[in-house]
Amino acid sequence: EADIYQTPRYLVIGTGKKITLECSQTMGHDKMYWYQQDPGMELHLIHYSYGVNSTEKGDLSSESTVSRIRTEHFPLTLESARPSHTSQYLCASSRQESSEKLFFGSGTQLSVL
Amino acid sequence: RKEVEQDPGPFNVPEGATVAFNCTYSNSASQSFFWYRQDCRKEPKLLMSVYSSGNEDGRFTAQLNRASQYISLLIRDSKLSDSATYLCAVNSLKGYSTLTFGKGTMLLVSP
Repeated sequence: EADIYQTPRYLVIGTGKKITLECSQTMGHDKMYWYQQDPGMELHLIHYSYGVNSTEKGDLSSESTVSRIRTEHFPLTLESARPSHTSQYLCASSRQESSEKLFFGSGTQLSVL
Repeated sequence: RKEVEQDPGPFNVPEGATVAFNCTYSNSASQSFFWYRQDCRKEPKLLMSVYSSGNEDGRFTAQLNRASQYISLLIRDSKLSDSATYLCAVNSLKGYSTLTFGKGTMLLVSP
């Protein structure tokens, strides 16, 4: 089993609130990713990081931001949540030399009212 | 054309049946291919990598057809516990290294 953790598992919040979704991994993986997935739809990459102080935007435009101050930690922040942000957010990591084998966290199901 | 395409299903099969899914990809330069399994409201979990020569893991067999740009997953002797959505993933070639996922194929195995 992969050691990658996401909190909270579920979050229901009102419009306009600032939220941070946490993601931590204890495998020492350099690469980390955030995907967004709606029910019955494919995963869309919204952010990724190749290592400390490296962050990039993915395919899907997102109003969220990320930071990578420590190898093991890759939080995602929404400054002002809106109902359109309602989705499942999945964090993943991979080793530098095997970058495509992704290990996923359990996900955060976000509902913005 | 989408980068990775799968038949969403659902595929309804009885226990013990053999079932196969295909996944097509658009970029002929793609090098890495995977099958992930995703249970309802859970995270995807790596099922198996797909190698050029084809590979087998127990009841599961994965094949790659580069000429026609598709990969396949064959499940023999289906179990109830095989019911899940199977996601195809292909390495993305957009200037960064990550995976592009298909929407997945849902499999329902019934008693």
